[in-house]
Amino acid sequence: GENVEQHPSTLSVQEGDSAVIKCTYSDSASNYFPWYKQELGKGPQLIIDIRSNVGEKKDQRIAVTLNKTAKHFSLHITETQPEDSAVYFCAASRGSGGGADGLTFGKGTHLIIQP
Amino acid sequence: EAQVTQNPRYLITVTGKKLTVTCSQNMNHEYMSWYRQDPGLGLRQIYYSMNVEVTDKGDVPEGYKVSRKEKRNFPLILESPSPNQTSLYFCASSGKGYYGYTFGSGTRLTVV
Repeated sequence: GENVEQHPSTLSVQEGDSAVIKCTYSDSASNYFPWYKQELGKGPQLIIDIRSNVGEKKDQRIAVTLNKTAKHFSLHITETQPEDSAVYFCAASRGSGGGADGLTFGKGTHLIIQP
Repeated sequence: EAQVTQNPRYLITVTGKKLTVTCSQNMNHEYMSWYRQDPGLGLRQIYYSMNVEVTDKGDVPEGYKVSRKEKRNFPLILESPSPNQTSLYFCASSGKGYYGYTFGSGTRLTVV
């Protein structure tokens, strides 16, 4: 089955700096890669996603890149703000179903924005 | 408001006492899944459903059952809970062709 590795487990950056979280996946058939943000006491919330036919996607201060050959994808947050502090999870579809049979998640990155 | 609703939010129970965690979505989504979240292990899939009466095992199905008799509901059943099922549980749903999953607020279960 799919296996998703996520690094780092904890990331501390100064407010205004950029943050990068990296993930690798094992199943070359996976075709959908979402990123979720989880705040304390809440469920994960989708913040951005990318499909395997796209190399990069941007939405305001966040961007995701995908390298299918190397089987890795990354989340980039620019101009970080205090409200960006949270746990971030990457995920990959289980096979080529685009997520119809669910997602496999990385173990999460605790992002801390230092004032 | 489009949402996934789980109940209860918190539950403390004793070993062996059957329980059900309910999940309901109001978005007419075909796909639904259950996950458990444990410190250091991230989110792991328990069961998923691609449509009514279609369910299948995820990565950690032992000790759990599900049913999908109606499109909107996907209850998680623990027939004989054990302490190692103490965890934070999330239900999620997604529409066909959309790919993005919406998560519920979670159910924190403690089995003593």
